[in-house]
Amino acid sequence: AQTVTQSQPEMSVQEAETVTLSCTYDTSENNYYLFWYKQPPSRQMILVIRQEAYKQQNATENRFSVNFQKAAKSFSLKISDSQLGDTAMYFCAFMEYSGGGADGLTFGKGTHLIIQP
Amino acid sequence: DSGVTQTPKHLITATGQRVTLRCSPRSGDLSVYWYQQSLDQGLQFLIQYYNGEERAKGNILERFSAQQFPDLHSELNLSSLELGDSALYFCASSSHRGLDEAFFGQGTRLTVV
Repeated sequence: AQTVTQSQPEMSVQEAETVTLSCTYDTSENNYYLFWYKQPPSRQMILVIRQEAYKQQNATENRFSVNFQKAAKSFSLKISDSQLGDTAMYFCAFMEYSGGGADGLTFGKGTHLIIQP
Repeated sequence: DSGVTQTPKHLITATGQRVTLRCSPRSGDLSVYWYQQSLDQGLQFLIQYYNGEERAKGNILERFSAQQFPDLHSELNLSSLELGDSALYFCASSSHRGLDEAFFGQGTRLTVV
C-alpha cells in the first residue's frame, strides 16, 4: 500500500517569505501522480499543483513550485512571496493509475501553514 | 465554486441511525470519489465510481455503501452509525477516469451524537 508522509505538522513564516513544505511517499508503482492540495478554513479542497511521475521537469504554478526527486521519493512544495491568503492546511497526495484509469488519492496528514503579517 | 454539489451541508443524527449523503458531479464528469476526513484518520479515500460502475475501493467500512445513478449523481449510505463516524465527507469528480484534476465539493459535515 502507498503511504504519504508529511513530517511538519505546523509551520509559520512572515508574509513575503519563501517556505518549503516537505513530503515523502512510498510506492512500488511506476505510474502515478503527485499533488498538493490546500484546505483553507472554509474546508474547501483546492488543487495547488500536480506532478506526473514520468515527467522529469518540476511543475510550477505562479508562486508555487515543487521539487520532485523520484529516486528519493520526495515531493516538496515551495511557496514564494507568501501571502496571508496562503494560510491553510496543505496536503500532499499520491494517485496511482493504470490502463483502467486512476485510483483514489492517498493523502498525508497535512501541514498547517500560518502566514504572519 | 468547483461545480460539485453536496447535500446536505450539515447533518446531525443519533448512533445506530442511517443517513444518505448526496453528490452531484460537475457537468460531464464520469468519475465520482468519496473521501472521509476525520481528526483520527485524516483524509481517507472510501470508494470510486466511474460511469455507474464501482471502480476502486479504499478504506470503506462494510456499514457504508455507495452507488452512482444513470444521471451520474452519487449517494453514500452510512448505516448503524457510531460516534466515530463523525467526520467531513467529501465528494470529488473528474472526467476521463480520473486522469485529470479531481474537483472537490464543499463536503457534508456529519455529527453522530
